[in-house]
Amino acid sequence: ELKVEQNPLFLSMQEGKNYTIYCNYSTTSDRLYWYRQDPGKSLESLFVLLSNGAVKQEGRLMASLDTKARLSTLHITAAVHDLSATYFCAVDSNSGYALNFGKGTSLLVTP
Amino acid sequence: GAGVSQTPSNKVTEKGKYVELRCDPISGHTALYWYRQSLGQGPEFLIYFQGTGAADDSGLPNDRFFAVRPEGSVSTLKIQRTERGDSAVYLCASSLYDRRAFFGQGTRLTVV
Repeated sequence: ELKVEQNPLFLSMQEGKNYTIYCNYSTTSDRLYWYRQDPGKSLESLFVLLSNGAVKQEGRLMASLDTKARLSTLHITAAVHDLSATYFCAVDSNSGYALNFGKGTSLLVTP
Repeated sequence: GAGVSQTPSNKVTEKGKYVELRCDPISGHTALYWYRQSLGQGPEFLIYFQGTGAADDSGLPNDRFFAVRPEGSVSTLKIQRTERGDSAVYLCASSLYDRRAFFGQGTRLTVV
């Protein structure tokens, strides 16, 4: 069974600080996805990482993928309140098209 | 439309009743997915359509759940004899060949 584990599950951080969210998965996968979800809202696609060593950046968020370690990271630089949300990572299932999601990391950025 | 549209946004039903949830995907997207999200959890895959056919329905929890996409666009998720454990947010997503899925706002189903 494919497992996707995120840590931490809850994160409270001050504005201006840096932090990294980790996503481990249990079987081989060449694609990894990061999504953001605001309370009561749907999921917004942030990044699609397609190969080993892939790195993508958007604003204060940077995502990377190490397929050999089965690890992806989402790095937050100089956090601002607007980044408060729940962040999910997901990998392709063994069937190829479904996504297996982690439990999410609930991020709160405080002044 | 501009995004994935789901109706209704909220549905409250009594235990044992039948419900239908509708998803209107992004125009031109051939792939359509249904997921279910419980409180504090990540979305859980239910079923995937490529065109009109269900290419993977391995996530449907039991035979009370069924989904159709008769014309390859709008999809309906049908739940028979609803149970309180079916209460969740049901998310629909669609994608093109690159598999980057765009999600709708979801239908919050509450079974009382």
